[in-house]
Amino acid sequence: GENVEQHPSTLSVQEGDSAVIKCTYSDSASNYFPWYKQELGKRPQLIIDIRSNVGEKKDQRIAVTLNKTAKHFSLHITETQPEDSAVYFCAARAFISNFGNEKLTFGTGTRLTIIP
Amino acid sequence: EAQVTQNPRYLITVTGKKLTVTCSQNMNHEYMSWYRQDPGLGLRQIYYSMNVEVTDKGDVPEGYKVSRKEKRNFPLILESPSPNQTSLYFCASSPLGVQGFTDTQYFGPGTRLTVL
Repeated sequence: GENVEQHPSTLSVQEGDSAVIKCTYSDSASNYFPWYKQELGKRPQLIIDIRSNVGEKKDQRIAVTLNKTAKHFSLHITETQPEDSAVYFCAARAFISNFGNEKLTFGTGTRLTIIP
Repeated sequence: EAQVTQNPRYLITVTGKKLTVTCSQNMNHEYMSWYRQDPGLGLRQIYYSMNVEVTDKGDVPEGYKVSRKEKRNFPLILESPSPNQTSLYFCASSPLGVQGFTDTQYFGPGTRLTVL
């Protein structure tokens, strides 16, 4: 089955600097890679996603890059702000049968702390 | 308001006492899933359902049951809870796109379960 590794597990960044979180996946057939943000005590919420036919996607201060050959994808947050402090999860979607069954496998999370 | 709801939000119980955590969504989503979240392990999938009467095991199904009799509801059943099932549980739902693939997963608020 799919295996998703996420690094680092914790990351502290000075406010205004950039943060990068990296994930690798094992199943070359995976084709959808979302990133979720979970604030303390809250539910995970999608912040950005990328599909396998695209190499990069940006949404204001957030960007995601995908390298299908190397099977890794990264989240980039620029000009970090205190409200960016949260746990971030990457995920990869793989198909597990010919009947359309699919599975979203999550990484173990990165706790990002923005230092004012 | 489009949402995923879970009940109860908090539950303390004792080993062996059957319990059910309800999950309901009002977005007419075909796909629903249960995850457990434990420190350092991220979100691990317990069971998922691609549509009514269609359920399948995720990564950690042991000790859990689910049913999908109606599109909007996807209850999680612990027939005989044990302390190792103490965790934070999230239900999620997603529409299926034109190609039958899931898209953004919308999470419920979470249920914190403690089994003594």
